Amino acid sequence: GAVVSQHPSWVICKSGTSVKIECRSLDFQATTMFWYRQFPKQSLMLMATSNEGSKATYEQGVEKDKFLINHASLTLSTLTVTSAHPEDSSFYICSAMDRANTEAFFGQGTRLTVV
Amino acid sequence: AQSVTQLDSQVPVFEEAPVELRCNYSSSVSVYLFWYVQYPNQGLQLLLKYLSGSTLVKGINGFEAEFNKSQTSFHLRKPSVHISDTAEYFCAVSDGWGKLQFGAGTQVVVTP
Repeated sequence: GAVVSQHPSWVICKSGTSVKIECRSLDFQATTMFWYRQFPKQSLMLMATSNEGSKATYEQGVEKDKFLINHASLTLSTLTVTSAHPEDSSFYICSAMDRANTEAFFGQGTRLTVV
Repeated sequence: AQSVTQLDSQVPVFEEAPVELRCNYSSSVSVYLFWYVQYPNQGLQLLLKYLSGSTLVKGINGFEAEFNKSQTSFHLRKPSVHISDTAEYFCAVSDGWGKLQFGAGTQVVVTP
């Protein structure tokens, strides 16, 4: 199957700083990628849909100015958590659709800890 | 709108015993259904998916699921589990454009 690589796998940052997470489709082109957030022992919640060459579509309740998404190429989407606070600590996971739009492939996730 | 309900938050099971994880969905349109497995601090791995056709879907690692439209269910089964099947399992529904709505997850704990 297709491979989606997410980097970094974990990061610790100080409160008030910004953190960038990358999501790459390694062997296929993805016009659409998705960003999810997962709190401990909970399910995945969709944050936003990232579309190549256009603005991301955010789910209700997700602050677009805090969670900046850029999808500059067909193989890369980035999520930047700006002015991070401890409550932003979470597991962030991206996914990318294959060309047939029948399956979403997931990255390995990024554990963000804000101290 | 779509939603997914996983009826069991945790399922303890003995090694080599069968397991069934229940999933019900609601949707006003045709759906695609998925089961994913997640190991600690990792992303999601697809076990199987239902897009159309045969209602019995076979996946990886000996898992299978049956799509039941009248009962709006997509239960996951495995006839004999291994210790390595200990993980979190998520049922998900999609409208076909990649956006997934996940259930709350079922933690499977396999003991010897």
